[in-house]
Amino acid sequence: DTGVSQNPRHKITKRGQNVTFRCDPISEHNRLYWYRQTLGQGPEFLTYFQNEAQLEKSRLLSDRFSAERPKGSFSTLEIQRTEQGDSAMYLCASTTGRSYEQYFGPGTRLTVT
Amino acid sequence: QQPVQSPQAVILREGEDAVINCSSSKALYSVHWYRQKHGEAPVFLMILLKGGEQKGHEKISASFNEKKQQSSLYLTASQLSYSGTYFCGTSKGFGNEKLTFGTGTRLTIIP
Repeated sequence: DTGVSQNPRHKITKRGQNVTFRCDPISEHNRLYWYRQTLGQGPEFLTYFQNEAQLEKSRLLSDRFSAERPKGSFSTLEIQRTEQGDSAMYLCASTTGRSYEQYFGPGTRLTVT
Repeated sequence: QQPVQSPQAVILREGEDAVINCSSSKALYSVHWYRQKHGEAPVFLMILLKGGEQKGHEKISASFNEKKQQSSLYLTASQLSYSGTYFCGTSKGFGNEKLTFGTGTRLTIIP
């Protein structure tokens, strides 16, 4: 399968715990995006990378959120001290620098209890 | 600001046509259309660029009015597989920058 993959697909955690999600983009896609989607809403931009450089981070993203893309390939999104309001689907997308289409992964559904 | 889509939801019989509108308060360079089925990731449909031509396939097409900062998605002779939630995504650049997604339009096609 050459699509965008995300792991885990589902995560249930207790409030206050830390969680980490992983995204593997399509090979050779140098741009990688993280979005968050809550029920009934469109995806909301969180951050994006070009290769290993984080180019932009949403102001909505508190300091509890951090993302990395250490070697310009896979990326991780960590949420520290989770809150119930963090419950959402976290989507990853990737694209080449010359393409307009963002290819989305299946997402990681986070439930904070 | 998030683009506003209309209608919020629509129910059609198979074979009927639909128009979904996307309106932004900001100047746009590109508009992207995605369809998302329940529990699945958004799937890219098409992109319209400022100054570009109307895009489309045989039964799904779209237009982009730069002056009005609006885009419309046209679905003709709808099929059951068209059901899902449609989102427009706007970008200040070519589209390899971040997308700001609209409020969504839920389309239900019934036999």
